[in-house]
Amino acid sequence: DQQVKQNSPSLSVQEGRISILNCDYTNSMFDYFLWYKKYPAEGPTFLISISSIKDKNEDGRFTVFLNKSAKHLSLHIVPSQPGDSAVYFCAASTRGAQKLVFGQGTRLTINP
Amino acid sequence: GAVVSQHPSRVICKSGTSVKIECRSLDFQATTMFWYRQFPKQSLMLMATSNEGSKATYEQGVEKDKFLINHASLTLSTLTVTSAHPEDSSFYICSAERTGPVETQYFGPGTRLLVL
Repeated sequence: DQQVKQNSPSLSVQEGRISILNCDYTNSMFDYFLWYKKYPAEGPTFLISISSIKDKNEDGRFTVFLNKSAKHLSLHIVPSQPGDSAVYFCAASTRGAQKLVFGQGTRLTINP
Repeated sequence: GAVVSQHPSRVICKSGTSVKIECRSLDFQATTMFWYRQFPKQSLMLMATSNEGSKATYEQGVEKDKFLINHASLTLSTLTVTSAHPEDSSFYICSAERTGPVETQYFGPGTRLLVL
């Protein structure tokens, strides 16, 4: 049972444009959501998080939107840069940053 | 961001031997650390939650006698894969929970285990 789903295994975006990564979840008890970026053979790097009491959180080029009624969150990266090319994982939890449940990941490629 | 280290980064061992992986939080104290496993092209799967000074909590389907976890201090957790077999070959990643204004887990760089 995949409680956190990233239905797009890959995404290609032109440099300078907006990248939108999507994530859906099924467990309505999730109240904390995180996005991580991961390069091959490395551990994930924390990007941004959002609590269920909010619907938007912004940090520099990264913005996360949460739609609780749709059980959907998205990560917007603007403008996209070549260094953003990586695999992006969304994760969810019912206990703050503990017991994270990860999605399958989306490979983002930024084309020059 | 916070720094979490893992050692070794890569290990090759013979079937039947035990392998110890260390996870250290370098610039903060972590009461709680986590151990994950990632198979190729798959997501990270939580194996266990490591609590400083108490027993680890294992996820369903993870053998606690196979994957021994010790959280001896606020900056160190170890995972020992006992009597490793080829099916234990995987990428093992630890993380440390950091509380504060932004709660998150900071991940180590991972350990690639290959059991021959």
